[in-house]
Amino acid sequence: EAGVAQSPRYKIIEKRQSVAFWCNPISGHATLYWYQQILGQGPKLLIQFQNNGVVDDSQLPKDRFSAERLKGVDSTLKIQPAKLEDSAVYLCASSLGLVAYEQYFGPGTRLTVT
Amino acid sequence: AQKVTQAQTEISVVEKEDVTLDCVYETRDTTYYLFWYKQPPSGELVFLIRRNSFDEQNEISGRYSWNFQKSTSSFNFTITASQVVDSAVYFCALSEPGNTPLVFGKGTRLSVIA
Repeated sequence: EAGVAQSPRYKIIEKRQSVAFWCNPISGHATLYWYQQILGQGPKLLIQFQNNGVVDDSQLPKDRFSAERLKGVDSTLKIQPAKLEDSAVYLCASSLGLVAYEQYFGPGTRLTVT
Repeated sequence: AQKVTQAQTEISVVEKEDVTLDCVYETRDTTYYLFWYKQPPSGELVFLIRRNSFDEQNEISGRYSWNFQKSTSSFNFTITASQVVDSAVYFCALSEPGNTPLVFGKGTRLSVIA
């Protein structure tokens, strides 16, 4: 079974530029998550989708971050414009359902904002 | 509010030693779920175990074992006869019922030296 796919793996941009990350979850997983992991910390949830609907985006900085999951499968996370403090690893995860199911993570995208 | 504390930032052991990673959690719910994830240098979080709050039995899986104690709100993880391949950052996480996000601790970096 294929795991969670993410691209790109690495991205370097200058502040005020925009960037987009892509995620394809495990087939059949209805729930998709985007996390931000700053160096030395645990992942922090940015947004959670159930199929193509948003379940929780309370910690998403909506003035600059946006995400969509068209057709309830793959998803895109965008940052526009980027700030220095956005430098982090962006992890995508998927699970069968919302509650108590283990989440399976992709390899992440390491973003460096200079 | 949910909180997960991993007081050990870094641990270094010699191969074949046993090592225990501590996890203390806070929650107001009587129903909750605890997880451990491993993050090797490649960056992908790997699911290790899920335990619900009503199951206090300890679990053993090969060289891995978990000790869940509700009385002390702890869910500790022991690796027996550690190996170099166990070197990674280990995260403990907590989830409550409903659409609440998975909350991670800050992680413990384990280095196993040959």
